[in-house]
Amino acid sequence: AQSVSQHNHHVILSEAASLELGCNYSYGGTVNLFWYVQYPGQHLQLLLKYFSGDPLVKGIKGFEAEFIKSKFSFNLRKPSVQWSDTAEYFCAVNFHSNYQLIWGAGTKLIIKP
Amino acid sequence: DAGVTQSPTHLIKTRGQQVTLRCSPKSGHDTVSWYQQALGQGPQFIFQYYEEEERQRGNFPDRFSGHQFPNYSSELNVNALLLGDSALYLCASSLQGNNSPLHFGNGTRLTVT
Repeated sequence: AQSVSQHNHHVILSEAASLELGCNYSYGGTVNLFWYVQYPGQHLQLLLKYFSGDPLVKGIKGFEAEFIKSKFSFNLRKPSVQWSDTAEYFCAVNFHSNYQLIWGAGTKLIIKP
Repeated sequence: DAGVTQSPTHLIKTRGQQVTLRCSPKSGHDTVSWYQQALGQGPQFIFQYYEEEERQRGNFPDRFSGHQFPNYSSELNVNALLLGDSALYLCASSLQGNNSPLHFGNGTRLTVT
């Protein structure tokens, strides 16, 4: 079955630290890739997406992600995190010709001021 | 901003009862998807509606049904509630097409006792 896995359920960092959240998926065909973020008390919102082209995509608030097809990965990165980045981050994958998104379990990120 | 609105925000039901959840999509969107999110997990796709028809369905029993109205709003109905149906139910709207980013509502928290 198609699946998405996120390696860390909880991550705690200090401000200005670098961030990398892992995401792997199980399907070898064409995919669309997404990272969503949920800030405390808010709804899920899109952080960035990859459909095709340059495998390094940039999103809002200084986030970026790199699609590595050979590793079935789409890791999220940010060079220097801020306290306001405290949130839950979800990786989601849309497999070819499929309308549903398959989601990872999420990573709760806590930034210590 | 006419974002996605869901009602009610919270609901408590008893096993065996039936429930109806409602969703109004973001202005301009014509597609509505429903997801179930259990505690500590990522969202699970229930189904998607487009042009008032169920376009795709996830791995949920027939107790879960839905409807889309001509104004693109949607309802999710769950019959014969089980304790395991307790979850956050998310509605997401988008434009047609399998790579259109989803816009989420705040969800309806359903508790089955």
